[in-house]
This record gives sequence, structure tokens and C-alpha cells, in this order.
Amino acid sequence: IAGITQAPTSQILAAGRRMTLRCTQDMRHNAMYWYRQDLGLGLRLIHYSNTAGTTGKGEVPDGYSVSRANTDDFPLTLASAVPSQTSVYFCASRPQASSYNEQFFGPGTRLTVL
Amino acid sequence: GENVEQHPSTLSVQEGDSAVIKCTYSDSASNYFPWYKQELGKRPQLIIDIRSNVGEKKDQRIAVTLNKTAKHFSLHITETQPEDSAVYFCAASRGGGYNKLIFGAGTRLAVHP
Repeated sequence: IAGITQAPTSQILAAGRRMTLRCTQDMRHNAMYWYRQDLGLGLRLIHYSNTAGTTGKGEVPDGYSVSRANTDDFPLTLASAVPSQTSVYFCASRPQASSYNEQFFGPGTRLTVL
Repeated sequence: GENVEQHPSTLSVQEGDSAVIKCTYSDSASNYFPWYKQELGKRPQLIIDIRSNVGEKKDQRIAVTLNKTAKHFSLHITETQPEDSAVYFCAASRGGGYNKLIFGAGTRLAVHP
């Protein structure tokens, strides 16, 4: 059982390019999340999905989009990357968005935008 | 909006000492408070959590206390060991309905042998 995986592990990207970060979980979790982690700022929520077919904006959604076509996958797209999007990106999932249960994180993607 | 403040940002202790990390939250409807540990280069992982119907929870060397009146909760690590060195994040969320975790900025704990 893989749990929750992310790809790529790391990426260097030219500003202005489009990039999709992939996230897949095999735990049949309903809720999925994307965070960015910057030094001193903790984990900030970008977008979330409470269940397949629905998405919502977190605290820092600008410049990012997501889709949730099925339960397992939750890709994050940067339409036109900018240097301020250099960060470590974590995908996470939890069984339900509406109960007290553990949120599991993926291994992260380190993105550098030049 | 909802906010979680975490202090201190860095903490250095000698092996065997205790470490305490404190968080305050702004949303009085919050009732679920997990703590995550993130080792260098790794993903955050849940180490303990508490719901608002209890004031304290222990798991071996770690404990969490909650004061709902003051809207703060704390992580206590006793008999610290070098492997406790990591970044610790507190978080808070509402229960019921769809809820999201709001994270503190993290505390970097260094345990020196």
C-alpha cells in the first residue's frame, strides 16, 4: 500500500511556465488538501477538496488551480509560475472532512521557480 | 479569519529536560487540536491530538493540555531525547460539518546530547 504519493519529488521551473504537481492516494480518503511550506510560515492551505467533484479555496489560492475528477487524484496546477511560488508543496488527505481523524501528508514536492 | 499562533519559534534544550510549546487559537468554535512532528526533509506526521471535551491527554513522554476558556493548548515533551529534534506544528479546526486544519507557524526543537 503506497498511501499518498506526490510527483515530481523536485522540479526547477522557468518563470512563466505551466506546471502540474501530482498527488495520488490509495486509501479511499474523501478529503484532500494542498499546502505550501515556507520557512517561518508553517503550512498554508492552498486549495482543498472535501469529496470527489468538489473543490474550495484555502488561504493562499492565487496563482493555483485544482481539480478532483475522482477520489484518488488531486493535481495542483500553476498556470504561469512566478518566483514567489518557490516552496515545498505537500498534498494531504483524511478519511472524511467532517470528523476528527488523522490527516496524512505526502512526501512533498520541492519546487524552484527561476 | 481563523488564526493559530505558536510560540516559541525555536527551542533548545538539553537531553533529559522537558520542552513546552504553546499555541493560541482565535476561533472559539474550534474543538479539535492535533500536533504534528516534521523531521528534517520529511513529511509532517501526527503525534498526538486532543478534542475539546478533555483537558489533557498523554501518550508516553508527550502530553497535550487544553484551556478552552483561554483558547490555548500546549505540547509537553518530558525526558527529551536527540530524536525528538524536529519542527513541531500545532493545528486547530472546528468539528462537525466540513472543517479544515489551521496550522501554527511551527517550533524548531533542538535537543542537545
